[in-house]
Amino acid sequence: ETGVTQSPTHLIKTRGQQVTLRCSSQSGHNTVSWYQQALGQGPQFIFQYYREEENGRGNFPPRFSGLQFPNYSSELNVNALELDDSALYLCASSSLAEGTGELFFGEGSRLTVL
Amino acid sequence: ELKVEQNPLFLSMQEGKNYTIYCNYSTTSDRLYWYRQDPGKSLESLFVLLSNGAVKQEGRLMASLDTKARLSTLHITAAVHDLSATYFCAVDYRGSTLGRLYFGRGTQLTVWP
Repeated sequence: ETGVTQSPTHLIKTRGQQVTLRCSSQSGHNTVSWYQQALGQGPQFIFQYYREEENGRGNFPPRFSGLQFPNYSSELNVNALELDDSALYLCASSSLAEGTGELFFGEGSRLTVL
Repeated sequence: ELKVEQNPLFLSMQEGKNYTIYCNYSTTSDRLYWYRQDPGKSLESLFVLLSNGAVKQEGRLMASLDTKARLSTLHITAAVHDLSATYFCAVDYRGSTLGRLYFGRGTQLTVWP
């Protein structure tokens, strides 16, 4: 069984730039959620994708956007980067049909904005 | 918005000792999750608690859920160094998107000889 994989693992950007982070969901999972984890904090929900549509969004501005592809992989795009966007971005996959809401997380992409 | 509070935030304990981490949440929920995170790593699912009174055990860790008190506990028995990590509880707000979890700030556990 293949777990959740994310790329890149680390990246450095400057303010105002744009970034795309990628995620492949665990085999058999059709739902992908993205979380932002600032240093010393718990993860915060950004949004979730199911059947290629956004299926719930947290308190993040529109410059955070995403996509889900037919193979259930997903992208997180962040435009006009700000210093506060520096964080670990975690992708989690799940199966809505399974019904427990349990999330399986990838290793994360650590973004540093200078 | 649902708030999740963990305490303590930092826990330093000697090997062999017992301790309990507490997780309180502010709004009705039937689902609670415990995760472990090692430094620089991702989150590993430990327990999924889906009903009032649920109790689950794995090795030296035992988790329980009291939905009436809006409280979950993670009990550590006879701690060993390998348990050193940050532990998060997360709650799934009833009626919200399944899989939208609200996390606590985490409890950083250090177990020393």
